[in-house]
Parts: sequence; C-alpha cells; structure tokens
Amino acid sequence: DAGVTQSPTHLIKTRGQQVTLRCSPKSGHDTVSWYQQALGQGPQFIFQYYEEEERQRGNFPDRFSGHQFPNYSSELNVNALLLGDSALYLCASSRISGRRSYNEQFFGPGTRLTVL
Amino acid sequence: GDSVTQMEGPVTLSEEAFLTINCTYTATGYPSLFWYVQYPGEGLQLLLKATKADDKGSNKGFEATYRKETTSFHLEKGSVQVSDSAVYFCALSGQAGTALIFGKGTTLSVSS
Repeated sequence: DAGVTQSPTHLIKTRGQQVTLRCSPKSGHDTVSWYQQALGQGPQFIFQYYEEEERQRGNFPDRFSGHQFPNYSSELNVNALLLGDSALYLCASSRISGRRSYNEQFFGPGTRLTVL
Repeated sequence: GDSVTQMEGPVTLSEEAFLTINCTYTATGYPSLFWYVQYPGEGLQLLLKATKADDKGSNKGFEATYRKETTSFHLEKGSVQVSDSAVYFCALSGQAGTALIFGKGTTLSVSS
C-alpha cells in the first residue's frame, strides 16, 4: 500500500516566481492537508481540502492557494515567492468520514523549496 | 487559540537511559493529542496518539498519557536506543481530521 507521495522532492526558485507542489494521498483517504515547516520549527498548517473544497485554512496569505482533484490528489500553489517561503512543505492525508479514530494524519516525505 | 509547548532541546542521552520529553497544551474542548517523530531527511511519522482524558498511547516502547487536569502529554521511554535519535513533535487536533497544531520539536540524540 503506497503511502502519501509528494513531488518534486526538491525545488529551487527565484523571488517573484510561482511554484506548484503535488500530493497523492494514502489509499482510502479523502482529505489532504498542507503544512509549511521552516528549518528548526514545527510544521505550520496552511489549509485542508475535502471533497474538492478548502475546508479549513491557517494563517497564510492569499499567495498560497490549493486545489483538490476528484481522485483526492492535491496541489499547493504559491505565487510571488519570497525568500521566507523557503521551507519543507509537507502534505498529510486522512479520512474524515467514519469514526473519530480516523482523524490521524499520515505525512508524505515533503518537498524542499528553496527561494533565492 | 490552541497551542502546544514542548521542552527545548537538544536532549542528549546514552543508550538504555530513560527518556522524558515534556509537552503541555492549551485548547478549548477535548482535543486529540499526538506524538510525531521525524528522522533526518524524512517526513513525519505518527508515533502514538490519545483521543480522550486518561488514555495512554503506546508504540515501539514509547508511552504518553493524556492528562486533562495538568493539560499534559509527556512522552516517555524506559530504555532508548541509538535508532531513536530523531526530532519529536507533540501535536493536538481540535476535532476529527482538522488542523494539527505542533510544538516546535525536541531533538533527541542517543549515543552508544
């Protein structure tokens, strides 16, 4: 059973550019969450998608946007990149429908974004 | 708002030593509590969880008990191994499947 997969593994961009990161959830999961992890910090919640809609959003500017596809995979888009956007971007999947015990989130390996 | 505070690292131990990493939280209602582990160059792996007061989560020799009276979820292991060297994150989730709120992480280094 494949877990959560993310692509690409690493990415280097320059300030002002735009980037798209991709995530495929674990089999049987219907919800995708995105997190930003700066060096030496804990992950910070960006947003969560369920049934192709943004279900919850953290404290991130509108430059961060996302999308979920009918097959539950998801994209994270960041426009007008800033140096401070350099971080590890983590995708997590979960299953919302069903019992409460299904609220645990499974993480992918992340995409390391460097903005120069 | 909800938050998680965990002890500052790094924590340096010898193999077979006892481990405690403190975690306290602030939240409304009854959150679920989690410990995640991140090995070098990898994503986060769920280590253990507890969904209600007095629940004890356990996995791979690690344990943590959900203490509502002290709003704590301290991670313990009786005998650490070199392979336990990693960064440990305490986290909470307010409702089923909603955002995880993480602490800043505690780096554990175990030497033989």
